[in-house]
Amino acid sequence: EAQVTQNPRYLITVTGKKLTVTCSQNMNHEYMSWYRQDPGLGLRQIYYSMNVEVTDKGDVPEGYKVSRKEKRNFPLILESPSPNQTSLYFCASSFSGGFGNQPQHFGDGTRLSIL
Amino acid sequence: GDSVTQMEGPVTLSEEAFLTINCTYTATGYPSLFWYVQYPGEGLQLLLKATKADDKGSNKGFEATYRKETTSFHLEKGSVQVSDSAVYFCALYGGATNKLIFGTGTLLAVQP
Repeated sequence: EAQVTQNPRYLITVTGKKLTVTCSQNMNHEYMSWYRQDPGLGLRQIYYSMNVEVTDKGDVPEGYKVSRKEKRNFPLILESPSPNQTSLYFCASSFSGGFGNQPQHFGDGTRLSIL
Repeated sequence: GDSVTQMEGPVTLSEEAFLTINCTYTATGYPSLFWYVQYPGEGLQLLLKATKADDKGSNKGFEATYRKETTSFHLEKGSVQVSDSAVYFCALYGGATNKLIFGTGTLLAVQP
């Protein structure tokens, strides 16, 4: 089954404690992306990756890091989480960065609470 | 810059009512337009799309027509069901930036 898998689904942690949210896709997609969803703001892109070893900032990259060492994985790293990073996070992938004919596939989300 | 504006919710309807969720966009060039749906506790799923002016996207009884003259992509359904209750996002791709830009989402609640 084609899917994007995120882990964990839920996490409550404290300010400053490094955390990683993993994302894996089994569709051999080149393009992967991270979004955060906040009430009244919709989805905002954090980082994206056009292919292995190629990453770039989205609209709200501050406080986040990513890496793309393999095509299937695109982890999101919060080196020193802060309460304003409390949010619902989604990973997405698509065959390429050209979305005209390629829908993005989304994971089920990770709800992070930073105390 | 490119942007998407959609009507604020929540939209509350009775079962079998007609649905319209408005979406307008600002973009350079000729973007592709999308509607995504997010059911409670799940990620987003592509509902329908249109890649050029006057195209009509349709799926599961939902329709939206790409109107370049009014820069709109309104979502419609003739008869909603309780199972349609979800958050609906309008999005565009292919304007000035190489990314998918979302509206803020509209919560639809359908009552039996």
